[in-house]
Amino acid sequence: EADIYQTPRYLVIGTGKKITLECSQTMGHDKMYWYQQDPGMELHLIHYSYGVNSTEKGDLSSESTVSRIRTEHFPLTLESARPSHTSQYLCASSERTGRFTEAFFGQGTRLTVV
Amino acid sequence: GDSVTQMEGPVTLSEEAFLTINCTYTATGYPSLFWYVQYPGEGLQLLLKATKADDKGSNKGFEATYRKETTSFHLEKGSVQVSDSAVYFCALRVGSARQLTFGSGTQLTVLP
Repeated sequence: EADIYQTPRYLVIGTGKKITLECSQTMGHDKMYWYQQDPGMELHLIHYSYGVNSTEKGDLSSESTVSRIRTEHFPLTLESARPSHTSQYLCASSERTGRFTEAFFGQGTRLTVV
Repeated sequence: GDSVTQMEGPVTLSEEAFLTINCTYTATGYPSLFWYVQYPGEGLQLLLKATKADDKGSNKGFEATYRKETTSFHLEKGSVQVSDSAVYFCALRVGSARQLTFGSGTQLTVLP
C-alpha cells in the first residue's frame, strides 16, 4: 500500500487567499509530481521534482509554485487563489525514472475557489 | 512524442457483463504499460502493468496483454461488479521520460 498523503482532502476558499496544498510520502522516493485533473478527468503534469532543491515546471502552465526542502515533503502554493484554480490536485511519487517505474498517488485535494 | 489513446466513455454495463476498455499507444522508445484505476473521490491506484511484449498483467480479475504488433494494451474483465465503477487510465513510460504518459481516462459505471 502506498504511503503518500495529501491534506486537506477538500478545500473551499475565497478569491485572493493564499493556499498551500500539502503532500508527504514516507517511501523515501526521490521523484515527486503534482498533477492537475480537469473535470474531463485528464491529468496534466504541473510540477516535477527530481529531489531535494530540484524542481521544474510541468507540461501545463500553472500559477502555482512548489518547493522541495525535504525528500518527503512537496507542498504546492497558490499566492492568490482564483476561481480558475478550481480543480482536483493529485500528488505522486516514484522511486526513480526508467520505464519500469510506476508512480504512487495520494488521494488528492479538491480545491474550490469561490 | 509519446501518447496514449483510450476508448471514450462513459461506459455503462450491467453487473456480470464482460468489460473491454481499448487502449492504443505510440512511443518513442520501448515502453512499459500500465492501467490505473481511480475510484470516486480518490487518487489513482495501480491496477496492473506489463513491461515487455506479450506480457499479461492481471489483478482483481482484470487482465491486459501487451501487444507490440498492434501497439495495444486493452483492459478486460470477464464479469464486472458494481464495485468496479471507477475511472480507468491507461498509461505508458519509456526509459528517458520523467513521467508517465496518461490516456484521457474512461468512466465505467456498473449497474446492479
